[in-house]
Amino acid sequence: AQSVTQLGSHVSVSEGALVLLRCNYSSSVPPYLFWYVQYPNQGLQLLLKYTSAATLVKGINGFEAEFKKSETSFHLTKPSAHMSDAAEYFCAVRSGANSKLTFGKGITLSVRP
Amino acid sequence: DTEVTQTPKHLVMGMTNKKSLKCEQHMGHRAMYWYKQKAKKPPELMFVYSYEKLSINESVPSRFSPECPNSSLLNLHLHALQPEDSALYLCASSHTRGEQYFGPGTRLTVT
Repeated sequence: AQSVTQLGSHVSVSEGALVLLRCNYSSSVPPYLFWYVQYPNQGLQLLLKYTSAATLVKGINGFEAEFKKSETSFHLTKPSAHMSDAAEYFCAVRSGANSKLTFGKGITLSVRP
Repeated sequence: DTEVTQTPKHLVMGMTNKKSLKCEQHMGHRAMYWYKQKAKKPPELMFVYSYEKLSINESVPSRFSPECPNSSLLNLHLHALQPEDSALYLCASSHTRGEQYFGPGTRLTVT
């Protein structure tokens, strides 16, 4: 079985501040982990993925995430928030040969001017 | 090119109507997916096609009928829907064990 926990429903940061969105996973086998972003009235866009190579993964738009097996975490960070980063962010896990993605409940990021 | 296209963008239908949603990808992906997403919720998996065969049906009501005519196309046929079926319907595709790429979705309203 696999699951994803994204604590909280909303994060608000000032423009230029650090963005940290938390994701913890549960998986009985080595996981594949993903972060997706969804802007209003759009589909999901893949930000980055972890597939058992480097533990620090760089994605698009300046985002990165670090896989920590000991903490079962895959937190998403960006050093400096832009107004355009305001969106819904979903962490997702896929385990083993099963192609089903399990999503976290998502977290809304707001960026204050 | 990592584009998945979906038509129509918006659809309003009555409870007695029959309509279809369409999805297309040209990335050579052999797995295609339908998801349903309600506001402020994560996508919920409905169906998975692998090599044009239905491999997963997440106990979806029979008023939703998927079809995969070829490796690039995925349809979702809708009939006798209920107002609670109003949602954003997302299509995605992937290599068999790869990351999923999503389309922009069809916003469905059932009146």
